[in-house]
Amino acid sequence: AQRVTQPEKLLSVFKGAPVELKCNYSYSGSPELFWYVQYSRQRLQLLLRHISRESIKGFTADLNKGETSFHLKKPFAQEEDSAMYYCALSFYGGATNKLIFGTGTLLAVQP
Amino acid sequence: DAGVIQSPRHEVTEMGQEVTLRCKPISGHDYLFWYRQTMMRGLELLIYFNNNVPIDDSGMPEDRFSAKMPNASFSTLKIQPSEPRDSAVYFCASSFSGGPYGYTFGSGTRLTVV
Repeated sequence: AQRVTQPEKLLSVFKGAPVELKCNYSYSGSPELFWYVQYSRQRLQLLLRHISRESIKGFTADLNKGETSFHLKKPFAQEEDSAMYYCALSFYGGATNKLIFGTGTLLAVQP
Repeated sequence: DAGVIQSPRHEVTEMGQEVTLRCKPISGHDYLFWYRQTMMRGLELLIYFNNNVPIDDSGMPEDRFSAKMPNASFSTLKIQPSEPRDSAVYFCASSFSGGPYGYTFGSGTRLTVV
């Protein structure tokens, strides 16, 4: 069955430190993976998607099919990065389309 | 476009009462999703529609939950009767032809059942 795992509920780092938010997925087909971010009491926003291979707000994520991972990284954390981060998997089954999320990781960047 | 619009933003109700949450997707989007967010379970997909037709409601927790999409611009999620464990933030999201472009989420409805 399709699954997204984010092993850390909370990640606390100091400003300027590197950040890596872990995400592993389970899917037998070709995955579409995303990172969404939710700032305090705001709506979820798409941060980045693996097919774009882009860097948004200094964050990058590389799909590693061998390890079935899509970890989110940033070399130097900023206080404004503090938010809830969700890894998500989109998959197709015939005519259907679904997006499932991991349980999220709360990133707290300390000054 | 104002984005995905949900109402109300906050709802406090007593146990046993009927609750109706509303969503207006982005014009032109053909998929609509209802998610529930809790601290324990994160984001759970409850149900989704394609072209107003319910495709998968396997995430709906109980028969007390129902969802409709009478037209392309409106959907409701109803809980009847409500229970305290239904307290959560309910998000609606819409997308165009599936996942590659990502989903656009509404601001959510924070439901508290006392």
